[in-house]
Amino acid sequence: QLQLQESGPGLVKPSETLSLTCTVSGGSISSSSYYWGWIRQPPGKGLEWIGSIYYSGSTYYNPSLKSRVTISVDTSKNQFSLKLSSVTAADTAVYYCARAPTYYDILTGYSIPYYFDYWGQGTLVTVSS
Amino acid sequence: NFMLTQPHSVSESPGKTVTISCTRSSGSIASNYVQWYQQRPGSAPTTVIYEDNQRPSGVPDRFSGSIDSSSNSASLTISGLKTEDEADYYCQSYDSSSWVFGGGTKLTVL
Repeated sequence: QLQLQESGPGLVKPSETLSLTCTVSGGSISSSSYYWGWIRQPPGKGLEWIGSIYYSGSTYYNPSLKSRVTISVDTSKNQFSLKLSSVTAADTAVYYCARAPTYYDILTGYSIPYYFDYWGQGTLVTVSS
Repeated sequence: NFMLTQPHSVSESPGKTVTISCTRSSGSIASNYVQWYQQRPGSAPTTVIYEDNQRPSGVPDRFSGSIDSSSNSASLTISGLKTEDEADYYCQSYDSSSWVFGGGTKLTVL
């Protein structure tokens, strides 16, 4: 059974960088059939996609966060990571990692991730001094 | 980019049928698959519908999805409502470079 587990500091100071890692077990992060993504949810609010990465390192980022986000992958450890810089209180949220199945887009010739089928339990990150 | 708009809340009685809508602001709803997630309090979301109308294994057939090109919207229908269906429901779709969630709909079964 595939499992994803987020880890990282639960408290980050304003203006600093939030760093989280997602460890994948029960499956390989190097599978050609999946991207791996980060999604967040501020307390009492809805879901926001942050970005997604392929095992090769190919990435998609939310345009509204792109200038502050870096997602990387370490296939040797079966992990992928999120860095969000210059955080403010607005970045306080539960952060989820998730697996994204892909389909082959005939028009572009690319494999496109299109939804999230397995999610981690989520980790609350609070931005506060 | 586009937005997905959902009603903030819906309520219905046990045993009844409820439909939650999800309207795409730009681009055709039929161009990219729509998914629906259920989220109970304190838990991660789980998929109840993918590829517009497909149910993952383990999701009861009381859950169904559809799209309507004329209104550029998708719908999640839950029939034979049970109290355990009370949760937040999110639609999700994408375009060439972005993945978007709707704002979520709180379903109350009373």
